Amino acid sequence: DAGVIQSPRHEVTEMGQEVTLRCKPISGHNSLFWYRQTMMRGLELLIYFNNNVPIDDSGMPEDRFSAKMPNASFSTLKIQPSEPRDSAVYFCASSSGQVPEAFFGQGTRLTVV
Amino acid sequence: QKEVEQDPGPLSVPEGAIVSLNCTYSNSAFQYFMWYRQYSRKGPELLMYTYSSGNKEDGRFTAQVDKSSKYISLFIRDSQPSDSATYLCAMSEYGGSQGNLIFGKGTKLSVKP
Repeated sequence: DAGVIQSPRHEVTEMGQEVTLRCKPISGHNSLFWYRQTMMRGLELLIYFNNNVPIDDSGMPEDRFSAKMPNASFSTLKIQPSEPRDSAVYFCASSSGQVPEAFFGQGTRLTVV
Repeated sequence: QKEVEQDPGPLSVPEGAIVSLNCTYSNSAFQYFMWYRQYSRKGPELLMYTYSSGNKEDGRFTAQVDKSSKYISLFIRDSQPSDSATYLCAMSEYGGSQGNLIFGKGTKLSVKP
């Protein structure tokens, strides 16, 4: 299994532009999580899905952020419009089974200039 | 008060030292306790997992949970330079795909040869 796959690995964009981050969870996992990591705030949960349904989006910072999971093998996190304070590493993770272990992707390093 | 508190360090030790990493938490409903290890520019990966109170040992690593004090620890014996990474504690109320993990900010560990 290739693990959780995220794309792109790096993204540099100008303020005001739309950014779309993509995630392919591990096959058979039915929970998917989007996290944001910064030096100041650590790893923060933005939103998580169970069986493709958003369960808790209380961590989404603003209406500029939206996430979708149209099927069990794909999710997107969109920021529109992007701002410099959105610069961070965004991780996608998936899990399943009796243990709440999350398997993380390699992350997308987003820089908004 | 954040749900999970963790000293960010950095912590620098000589090779062969015993390392103690700790987290405190406020939510008494947490039942699942995990330690993740994150190498630079990589996603976190599960190192150890404990359900409820008690100790768990895996090679050079020992995880301890004291629910009465809301305190968890990770001990690393005979530390090696390859242990240099950021260690994040994580906790959840629920098991399986119903759960979402709450992470500490992470402690950056450096083991000097």
